[in-house]
Amino acid sequence: NAGVMQNPRHLVRRRGQEARLRCSPMKGHSHVYWYRQLPEEGLKFMVYLQKENIIDESGMPKERFSAEFPKEGPSILRIQQVVRGDSAAYFCASSKIGLLGGEQYFGPGTRLTVT
Amino acid sequence: AQKITQTQPGMFVQEKEAVTLDCTYDTSDPSYGLFWYKQPSSGEMIFLIYQGSYDQQNATEGRYSLNFQKARKSANLVISASQLGDSAMYFCAMSSQGSNYKLTFGKGTLLTVNP
Repeated sequence: NAGVMQNPRHLVRRRGQEARLRCSPMKGHSHVYWYRQLPEEGLKFMVYLQKENIIDESGMPKERFSAEFPKEGPSILRIQQVVRGDSAAYFCASSKIGLLGGEQYFGPGTRLTVT
Repeated sequence: AQKITQTQPGMFVQEKEAVTLDCTYDTSDPSYGLFWYKQPSSGEMIFLIYQGSYDQQNATEGRYSLNFQKARKSANLVISASQLGDSAMYFCAMSSQGSNYKLTFGKGTLLTVNP
């Protein structure tokens, strides 16, 4: 039973380019959460999606960032026109249902470096 | 709004001894969950232990136990018989239905186990 998959594991982009981060949840999981970890800090919530729906995007920056979780395929976190401050580790987590105590299983993360 | 506070940026412990990592929380939700995650230097997030706000007993998972004191709003992690492999960052987190089950993390504690 494969865990949460994220790719790429490492991504280098120049300022102004676009970054696309992919997350495939565990089999049978329909809830996906994206978190960002800046250097030396804890993880911060960005967005919560279910298939074809954004449930909570209260942690997403207002501009340049978008997320989707289509009916088929992985969840995508898209960052347009990246800046140096976007350099961080981006984690996605999946859960079977939205449930208190329902464990969120984390992927290995994508380390984004903006040069 | 939820808030997690970890006041110990770093902790040291001798191998085979026990160590307590502090965590206090704040929330207005009556029903919530508390989590501890371990992040080794390789970067992945490893779930350790969960405590529900209505659970009567303190949670235990092998060498990990969660010292839950509801009135004090604290959820300290106790690691017994420390091992060298326990050296890592430890994050306390919480979620609640009112927050769409998204995890709010503390800033973490870096634990170093000395031989």
